[in-house]
Amino acid sequence: GAVVSQHPSWVICKSGTSVKIECRSLDFQATTMFWYRQFPKQSLMLMATSNEGSKATYEQGVEKDKFLINHASLTLSTLTVTSAHPEDSSFYICSARDPRGDNYGYTFGSGTRLTVV
Amino acid sequence: AQSVAQPEDQVNVAEGNPLTVKCTYSVSGNPYLFWYVQYPNRGLQFLLKYITGDNLVKGSYGFEAEFNKSQTSFHLKKPSALVSDSALYFCAVRDGTGGFKTIFGAGTRLFVKA
Repeated sequence: GAVVSQHPSWVICKSGTSVKIECRSLDFQATTMFWYRQFPKQSLMLMATSNEGSKATYEQGVEKDKFLINHASLTLSTLTVTSAHPEDSSFYICSARDPRGDNYGYTFGSGTRLTVV
Repeated sequence: AQSVAQPEDQVNVAEGNPLTVKCTYSVSGNPYLFWYVQYPNRGLQFLLKYITGDNLVKGSYGFEAEFNKSQTSFHLKKPSALVSDSALYFCAVRDGTGGFKTIFGAGTRLFVKA
């Protein structure tokens, strides 16, 4: 089945630094990937839709200059949190659409817990 | 606009008893409906989906869900709960008219007591 690998699983960084999170589709080519943010005990909030070879589509209220998304290949999308602040601390999850066969459901990465100190 | 409501923050059930986790949705076209489960500090695992066809959908780990168009509901059920079913459950909807965006409910924490 479709597998999505997300790295790192957790990261601690200092305020003002940037952090990159990778999302890879291991056994399929993902033309579309999604980035979500999850606050403690809350649901997943869609941040942006990442399309291979084009600019990401950001949801309303998400700062595109702060959350940089790059989808340079069919198997890799990256989310970079720039100039991180403690309020950016959260659980970030990516998902990918597998275009093979039944593509109604998406496969999720295992998530990245970001803590900004 | 799409939306999903999970009216219960938490559901408590005794092991061996049936469980139901509720979900209602709103979408402009035909809905694609999903249930996912999340364990602490982990990503989401797919349980089941409804796209079309039989209203009763069977999924992983003995879970099933019933699509009710008139009530716009897609409740998750299991005949006999296990302690290991304790987790956070998310209902999700996607507009079946062609969009790829999936919207999630707030989540329901299921606690199964031994």
